[in-house]
Amino acid sequence: RKEVEQDPGPFNVPEGATVAFNCTYSNSASQSFFWYRQDCRKEPKLLMSVYSSGNEDGRFTAQLNRASQYISLLIRDSKLSDSATYLCVVNGGNQAGTALIFGKGTTLSVSS
Amino acid sequence: SAVISQKPSRDICQRGTSLTIQCQVDSQVTMMFWYRQQPGQSLTLIATANQGSEATYESGFVIDKFPISRPNLTFSTLTVSNMSPEDSSIYLCSVEDWEGAGYTFGSGTRLTVV
Repeated sequence: RKEVEQDPGPFNVPEGATVAFNCTYSNSASQSFFWYRQDCRKEPKLLMSVYSSGNEDGRFTAQLNRASQYISLLIRDSKLSDSATYLCVVNGGNQAGTALIFGKGTTLSVSS
Repeated sequence: SAVISQKPSRDICQRGTSLTIQCQVDSQVTMMFWYRQQPGQSLTLIATANQGSEATYESGFVIDKFPISRPNLTFSTLTVSNMSPEDSSIYLCSVEDWEGAGYTFGSGTRLTVV
């Protein structure tokens, strides 16, 4: 079983659409969870951390279910500039400084 | 968040040669991580570099192929040795900003081996 699994994608949506990405992880010891965004030929950049209580940042909402080892990202009112690959990322253990484990990413393409 | 300067940004190298990639961080960090991203794939951890000790390598990666230096708390290098076309990838370094707040990446080194 892969350590971090994501929706296969790609997602092709019109502007203004709402799109949801799902992710599951296998390491129950993971303590930190993130969504990263990666634009073509660029390094990954942190989109948001994910907390058990759920968190929202503008049009983006992230949820974590530790019991199910499931993470989600909801993007509302999609913009053209949201087109990118979204990486579900967890840390490899419960110690500070543990390296990250990346999902393969889900590609989002928003069209006008 | 930390700022990382990674270089070179790209290189085209002959097979059999070696390339050293550098990452400079604007703050002191305990651990630095080196990743590889092959075309169309996600990031795979190569090794974790601690200052003052030997790097810890992940399965499938060995020190002879990817020697790492970590002379101080703000700097690290990764060397890709005896390169072959299969080593063509993007190589990225990363540090943790502070616990749980995310990780910052260098801008990456796009390596093509011909």
